[in-house]
Amino acid sequence: GDSVTQMEGPVTLSEEAFLTINCTYTATGYPSLFWYVQYPGEGLQLLLKATKADDKGSNKGFEATYRKETTSFHLEKGSVQVSDSAVYFCALRGGKIIFGKGTRLHILP
Amino acid sequence: NAGVTQTPKFQVLKTGQSMTLQCAQDMNHEYMSWYRQDPGMGLRLIHYSVGAGITDQGEVPNGYNVSRSTTEDFPLRLLSAAPSQTSVYFCASSYSGASSGANVLTFGAGSRLTVL
Repeated sequence: GDSVTQMEGPVTLSEEAFLTINCTYTATGYPSLFWYVQYPGEGLQLLLKATKADDKGSNKGFEATYRKETTSFHLEKGSVQVSDSAVYFCALRGGKIIFGKGTRLHILP
Repeated sequence: NAGVTQTPKFQVLKTGQSMTLQCAQDMNHEYMSWYRQDPGMGLRLIHYSVGAGITDQGEVPNGYNVSRSTTEDFPLRLLSAAPSQTSVYFCASSYSGASSGANVLTFGAGSRLTVL
């Protein structure tokens, strides 16, 4: 069945560092791919999405490119801020919407 | 526009008791789903529905039942609560299809359940 695998956390970086959070997936067909973010004490909200191969989703300085050849959707940001500290979830929509286990990100000032 | 409304926000049960978590959305979303969130396990799909009258199992359906008699409502029933069902439960919904907002989940605020 469909599955999403993302890198284990927590990830700790200094402010202004480059961020990559890896996400790979297994699915039949052509799923839509998503990154959601959960700030402390809040629910999940969409960060970005891509619906077909080679699409790039972007929002708030974050980017991810739908790579069908490597079945990946890695999240990147060039310069992180303390306010980016949160848990990040990779997700896919095939017949249903499923999530990875989440990656906790800590940004140090 | 209320979005996705979950009740109750908090609940304590004893082992063996049953209860229903309510979920309602007012956005005319076709797709509705229930997840549980546990530390280190991410969000795991319990059950989902692609429209009224249609439900299907997710990744961890055992011990839970759902029904979808209307587009708006998608209650989750715990038949005989167990301590392993202690978790935070989220209901979420989305449009299906090809529109730009399709498949983007709107989440409820969550329900924290403790089973003693």
